[in-house]
Amino acid sequence: DAGVIQSPRHEVTEMGQEVTLRCKPISGHDYLFWYRQTMMRGLELLIYFNNNVPIDDSGMPEDRFSAKMPNASFSTLKIQPSEPRDSAVYFCASSSLREGVFGPGTRLTVL
Amino acid sequence: SQQGEEDPQALSIQEGENATMNCSYKTSINNLQWYRQNSGRGLVHLILIRSNEREKHSGRLRVTLDTSKKSSSLLITASRAADTASYFCATDGGETSGSRLTFGEGTQLTVNP
Repeated sequence: DAGVIQSPRHEVTEMGQEVTLRCKPISGHDYLFWYRQTMMRGLELLIYFNNNVPIDDSGMPEDRFSAKMPNASFSTLKIQPSEPRDSAVYFCASSSLREGVFGPGTRLTVL
Repeated sequence: SQQGEEDPQALSIQEGENATMNCSYKTSINNLQWYRQNSGRGLVHLILIRSNEREKHSGRLRVTLDTSKKSSSLLITASRAADTASYFCATDGGETSGSRLTFGEGTQLTVNP
């Protein structure tokens, strides 16, 4: 079991560019979560899906953020356009029975 | 506001000592989970305790839950340098919040060899 897979692991981009983060959850898990971690705000839930359907996106900070889950094995989090304050580590997690397994995270730096 | 709040924010101990971290939360929960995060790495699930449980053990870990006080503690016995990490509690907010986890700010544990 490779666990939750996220790509890229590191992303450095310039302000205004589009950023796409990818996540492959653990097979069989029916929940998928996107979190953001910063020193200032700790871990924040951005959005989560159940059976590929977005359930709660109230944590998405702005319309610049969007997330999709086209199938049970893939999800994306897109930021367009990116801003320096979006710099953070973005974690994807999948779960069943509410024991989440986190991916290694994507460290995003927006210059 | 954060649902889970860990205490202390930072803890430094010697190898072999026990480490106790506390977590408080505000609303009713289905379960409470503890996670570890090594510097620059992802979150690793340690243990889950359900709202109808009072104590749970896993290896050197012992978790207690007091729903009347809305608090939990994580005890690591016979600590090792490799236990150095940040420890987060996370609450599952129950039916009103689906399955999302709300994390506290974490306790940074340093175990000195």
